[in-house]
Amino acid sequence: RKEVEQDPGPFNVPEGATVAFNCTYSNSASQSFFWYRQDCRKEPKLLMSVYSSGNEDGRFTAQLNRASQYISLLIRDSKLSDSATYLCVVNPISGTYKYIFGTGTRLKVLA
Amino acid sequence: EPEVTQTPSHQVTQMGQEVILRCVPISNHLYFYWYRQILGQKVEFLVSFYNNEISEKSEIFDDQFSVERPDGSNFTLKIRSTKLEDSAMYFCASSDTGSEQFFGPGTRLTVL
Repeated sequence: RKEVEQDPGPFNVPEGATVAFNCTYSNSASQSFFWYRQDCRKEPKLLMSVYSSGNEDGRFTAQLNRASQYISLLIRDSKLSDSATYLCVVNPISGTYKYIFGTGTRLKVLA
Repeated sequence: EPEVTQTPSHQVTQMGQEVILRCVPISNHLYFYWYRQILGQKVEFLVSFYNNEISEKSEIFDDQFSVERPDGSNFTLKIRSTKLEDSAMYFCASSDTGSEQFFGPGTRLTVL
């Protein structure tokens, strides 16, 4: 099983749609979780950290299910500017700070 | 808003040559990292650096790689003898707590 697994997509959705991405991780001891977005040939940009209680930032909602080792990202009211690759990122071991990246899920929002 | 900067944006080199990639982390950050991304593949961890020493490194980070913080602002990655398979985008990142990491724009390394 891959350390961090994501559906590569692409997800093609119309503007205004709601879209959800899922991610699973293999190490049950993983401590920290994040969603980053990456535009073509650019650096990953932090979208949000994912907390056990779930968290929301505007149109974006992240959820963590430790029992199922599963992280999700929900984007409501999609905008054209949301088109990007969304990277699920896990810090697998407490006390170390290396990130393990998923391969990313491509989102294309269509006009 | 403070940001991580990297130079050069693109480096072309011949196989076997040494390259140094430079990064200026965000000024009050204490944790520094290098990652790489081969075209079409996922981002991979290379090394983390804290308190003037390597705290962790991956299998990729072999004896051909080294990192240095030569002064209070720069953080460098050196590849001693480049191979074709070193061609990738190299990202520097920094963090104040070791948790949320902020990435620079990357250096595209092309080895011919």
